[in-house]
Amino acid sequence: SSELTQDPAVSVALGQTVRITCQGDSLRNFYASWYQQKPGQAPVLVIYDKNNRPSGIPDRFSGSSSGTTASLTITGSQAEDEADYYCNSRDSSGNHVVFGGGTKLTVL
Amino acid sequence: QVQLQESGPGLVKPSETLSLTCTVSGGSISGYYWSWIRQPPGKGLEWIGYIYYSGSTNCNPSLKSRVSILIDTSKSQFSLKLSSVTAADTAVYYCAREGRGATGQIDYWGQGTLVTVSS
Repeated sequence: SSELTQDPAVSVALGQTVRITCQGDSLRNFYASWYQQKPGQAPVLVIYDKNNRPSGIPDRFSGSSSGTTASLTITGSQAEDEADYYCNSRDSSGNHVVFGGGTKLTVL
Repeated sequence: QVQLQESGPGLVKPSETLSLTCTVSGGSISGYYWSWIRQPPGKGLEWIGYIYYSGSTNCNPSLKSRVSILIDTSKSQFSLKLSSVTAADTAVYYCAREGRGATGQIDYWGQGTLVTVSS
């Protein structure tokens, strides 16, 4: 399959923990990467190789994976975490790149 | 610090060919996959295709018949041509680098350039 599925919208109270999920058959073979995108900006990589953070990404961001589902967890959500979040990976064949449809995170 | 910069016309007429170039600086173009990704206004990210530094390419099956991606390693540039454009091709176009390991992770993105298809 070449599809990754995400919930369109998720909300979290300030300071609480939120999990954003991504489902797809390709995740059996490839780790998901996660991106944060704020309005008018390019996406920023926040998690790669299941649970690695690039330099400069706060440690409240973490990733996990089980079977065909990958998750991005934000522990202690901050107002600045309000953004769109996308997952991606290679597809099951390994020949193409695929993105999930994105999850809009609202911090209440 | 690797930087990518898209360049090209911001307005293309329907049925014509969209052409963009990405210039890579601050790092080597060798050893990596280089992608084009687009985002229609208010919508999600769509992978268009990639080119390996050696010149091999692969594209989104939904766009394959219209896409051409080339690389010029001597200039640290790669380019996108999308033919027979329609209004549905209006989007912000990003060039990007896939990190080592080819697992899909995009570790560097250009700032994006809005291309509008309109007569």
